[in-house]
Amino acid sequence: DVKVTQSSRYLVKRTGEKVFLECVQDMDHENMFWYRQDPGLGLRLIYFSYDVKMKEKGDIPEGYSVSREKKERFSLILESASTNQTSMYLCASSPPDRGNQPQHFGDGTRLSIL
Amino acid sequence: GEDVEQSLFLSVREGDSSVINCTYTDSSSTYLYWYKQEPGAGLQLLTYIFSNMDMKQDQRLTVLLNKKDKHLSLRIADTQTGDSAIYFCAERWTGTASKLTFGTGTRLQVTL
Repeated sequence: DVKVTQSSRYLVKRTGEKVFLECVQDMDHENMFWYRQDPGLGLRLIYFSYDVKMKEKGDIPEGYSVSREKKERFSLILESASTNQTSMYLCASSPPDRGNQPQHFGDGTRLSIL
Repeated sequence: GEDVEQSLFLSVREGDSSVINCTYTDSSSTYLYWYKQEPGAGLQLLTYIFSNMDMKQDQRLTVLLNKKDKHLSLRIADTQTGDSAIYFCAERWTGTASKLTFGTGTRLQVTL
């Protein structure tokens, strides 16, 4: 089975801090994704990456950046955390875009910005 | 962008069937997925359907796809308390690095 591991289940940080959320997958997947989940809004794509050192903006990239130095690891960075970034963050990975290749998700990181 | 819509809440009695509905707007979507999210957890893939199919059955789950109306549904037969969760539909189309567009999610509550 595919395993996607997010480093923290719960995280509390202060406004203005630089925050790192880490995600590791063990299936050698090319594609990796970061979403945030808010009640009534579903999942919204922040950034994704289709290869090492490659990144693409999703639907809501403002206030975030990402890093993919190794294939298995995709980091989400909040450069200067703000209270409106309090949310559940979900990481996912998938193989290349051939046929049916669903995304596999980690358990999420619930981030609170005080 | 493309919108995927779901009703926010559904309540059913244990043993009844649940039907969760989803509408999407992109007619070029190739695969449509149903994911389940239990409290405090990530999303778990339940089932999927290819866009040239009308129906797919997998044990207690039946997926129906009406491409003309851009309507997708998930039927859960003999609903159990363990089915209580949030259910997300998602659509995918080719050439987008497996990007998915998710619906808002439907919270299914199963009562005794």
